[in-house]
Amino acid sequence: AQSVAQPEDQVNVAEGNPLTVKCTYSVSGNPYLFWYVQYPNRGLQFLLKYITGDNLVKGSYGFEAEFNKSQTSFHLKKPSALVSDSALYFCAVSAATGGSYIPTFGRGTSLIVHP
Amino acid sequence: IAGITQAPTSQILAAGRRMTLRCTQDMRHNAMYWYRQDLGLGLRLIHYSNTAGTTGKGEVPDGYSVSRANTDDFPLTLASAVPSQTSVYFCASSVSGLTSTDTQYFGPGTRLTVL
Repeated sequence: AQSVAQPEDQVNVAEGNPLTVKCTYSVSGNPYLFWYVQYPNRGLQFLLKYITGDNLVKGSYGFEAEFNKSQTSFHLKKPSALVSDSALYFCAVSAATGGSYIPTFGRGTSLIVHP
Repeated sequence: IAGITQAPTSQILAAGRRMTLRCTQDMRHNAMYWYRQDLGLGLRLIHYSNTAGTTGKGEVPDGYSVSRANTDDFPLTLASAVPSQTSVYFCASSVSGLTSTDTQYFGPGTRLTVL
C-alpha cells in the first residue's frame, strides 16, 4: 500500500522569507510524486510533479520541490513567500494499483504567509 | 474552455434522501475520479473510472455508486444519504488513469450537508 504524510497541519512564514512544506511517502516500486494547491472555496490545482530525472523539480508560481529517495521525501519549497501563496497544499503519490495508477493524497498543510 | 463542471455548488439534504452529484468534463479525458474532502483527513478517493463503461472502487466507496455511460459525464449517487456523508465532494479527471505520470484536473467542488 502507498501512503503520504504531511507532518505539519500548518506552516507560518513571513512574506519574503523562504518556505518549506514537508512531505514524506511510502510506496512499493518507483514513486511518482505531485504537489497540488487549493485556494479557499476552489478545487485543487496542479503545481508540479516528479517522474524521473533531476531531483529538483520546478513548477508553477515559483515553487520547486526536491525528491530525496534515501529520505523518501518530496518537500515543497519557495525562495521568497508571497501573501498570495497562502493556501492549502497537498502532496500526492502515485503508484501501480491493480493495473491502474491511482494517486493517494496527504492530509494537506495550510500555509499562512504573514505580511 | 470550461474544464470540469460540478453541480450543484452546494446542497442541504435530509437523511435518507437520494442525491446525485453531477460532473462533466470537456477535455476528453479518459479517467475520472470522485473524492471527498474532510477536515483533517485530506482527500479520499470514493470511486474512479479509467474509461467509459468501467468503474472501480476507491478508499471509501460504501454508500456511493457511480456510472460512466460516456466519456464526459461521471455522476455520483448517494442512494440513501446519512449525516456522515456531509463533506465537500470533488470530481477530477486525467488523460489516462493507466499512466502513472498523469496530472489530475479538479472541478470546483460540491458542498453537501446531510441533516
